Amino acid sequence: DQQVKQNSPSLSVQEGRISILNCDYTNSMFDYFLWYKKYPAEGPTFLISISSIKDKNEDGRFTVFLNKSAKHLSLHIVPSQPGDSAVYFCAASAGSAGKSTFGDGTTLTVKP
Amino acid sequence: NAGVTQTPKFRILKIGQSMTLQCTQDMNHNYMYWYRQDPGMGLKLIYYSVGAGITDKGEVPNGYNVSRSTTEDFPLRLELAAPSQTSVYFCATQGQPVTEAFFGQGTRLTVV
Repeated sequence: DQQVKQNSPSLSVQEGRISILNCDYTNSMFDYFLWYKKYPAEGPTFLISISSIKDKNEDGRFTVFLNKSAKHLSLHIVPSQPGDSAVYFCAASAGSAGKSTFGDGTTLTVKP
Repeated sequence: NAGVTQTPKFRILKIGQSMTLQCTQDMNHNYMYWYRQDPGMGLKLIYYSVGAGITDKGEVPNGYNVSRSTTEDFPLRLELAAPSQTSVYFCATQGQPVTEAFFGQGTRLTVV
């Protein structure tokens, strides 16, 4: 059973508009959530994270929202830029375990 | 600082051959991970280590072995390569449990 799910394999948005990427999880022990960005032929790079004690975390154009009761988080990118085109992975970890469980990723395409 | 360095970047193996994927970090991180990414999928944890001399199995450990004799190095060993091990392998490090991971650029392995 997949514990972290990204149900949209792809998303296409126009430059300047908002991109919303979604992620659902099933394991109630998860208490730390991260988003990573990945370009082709590169390793993932960290984008933004949120602890379960918060419901929102903002960093520049990127905001992550966490709804614990729904076991759902989302990444908002405003405004979207062509350079944001990449694969975005949602990841979750439980306490001191450190190791993260990843979703399958969403490919974001931002059109100029 | 190089961060996380993986070698080789590409490798083609014949069925039944063995090889070691190298991972070295200069970030003085205790936590290290090996993930594999199959096409269109997320990252699956193979093995991880919380410090020198300590290793543990992840989600998909079969067919692999690891060792962690130093803080810097975390090699991944494939003993009898099988086509199912064709994948992109990522090594990652993490300083503390509730922080982001830093990834290498990956090793693309093809088993024929």
